[in-house]
Amino acid sequence: GNSVTQMEGPVTLSEEAFLTINCTYTATGYPSLFWYVQYPGEGLQLLLKATKADDKGSNKGFEATYRKETTSFHLEKGSVQVSDSAVYFCALRNNNNDMRFGAGTRLTVKP
Amino acid sequence: DADVTQTPRNRITKTGKRIMLECSQTKGHDRMYWYRQDPGLGLRLIYYSFDVKDINKGEISDGYSVSRQAQAKFSLSLESAIPNQTALYFCATSEGQGSEKLFFGSGTQLSVL
Repeated sequence: GNSVTQMEGPVTLSEEAFLTINCTYTATGYPSLFWYVQYPGEGLQLLLKATKADDKGSNKGFEATYRKETTSFHLEKGSVQVSDSAVYFCALRNNNNDMRFGAGTRLTVKP
Repeated sequence: DADVTQTPRNRITKTGKRIMLECSQTKGHDRMYWYRQDPGLGLRLIYYSFDVKDINKGEISDGYSVSRQAQAKFSLSLESAIPNQTALYFCATSEGQGSEKLFFGSGTQLSVL
């Protein structure tokens, strides 16, 4: 079946550090891939997405590239800020419109 | 005002009680979803509805039921709550075919004692 595996947290970084959160997927067909972010006390918000192989999604300094050969969609940011502290979810959506989420990775950025 | 509103925000109940969680949206979206969030497990889909007459089971529908009363309203019921249904519940909406972005409510924290 379709599933998403992302690196376990929590991840703690200093401000301006480089961020990578790994995400790999298992899916039939050609899913769309997403990163959602959840700030404290809020619901999830879409951060970025990619709908086909080699697409790069980007938003707010975050990037992720859809790699079909490695079935991965790793999230990166060159310089994190305190305000980036949140829980990040990798997700995939297959042809039947069923969205599957990873377990989430909590990021804490310290000043 | 929030586009996707969930009520209540928090609920504590006892084993065996019937509970209803409500969700309403002002986005005009056809598609609505119920997820539960558990630590270490991420979000899992309980039920979803693509229009008023359409109800579909998700990954973990056992012990739950839903009602799509109108395009804007989608309620989740626990007929006889049990402690392992303690979780954070999210309602979400999306526009429809071709639109993959989900819009989430702020969540309902349910505790079953």
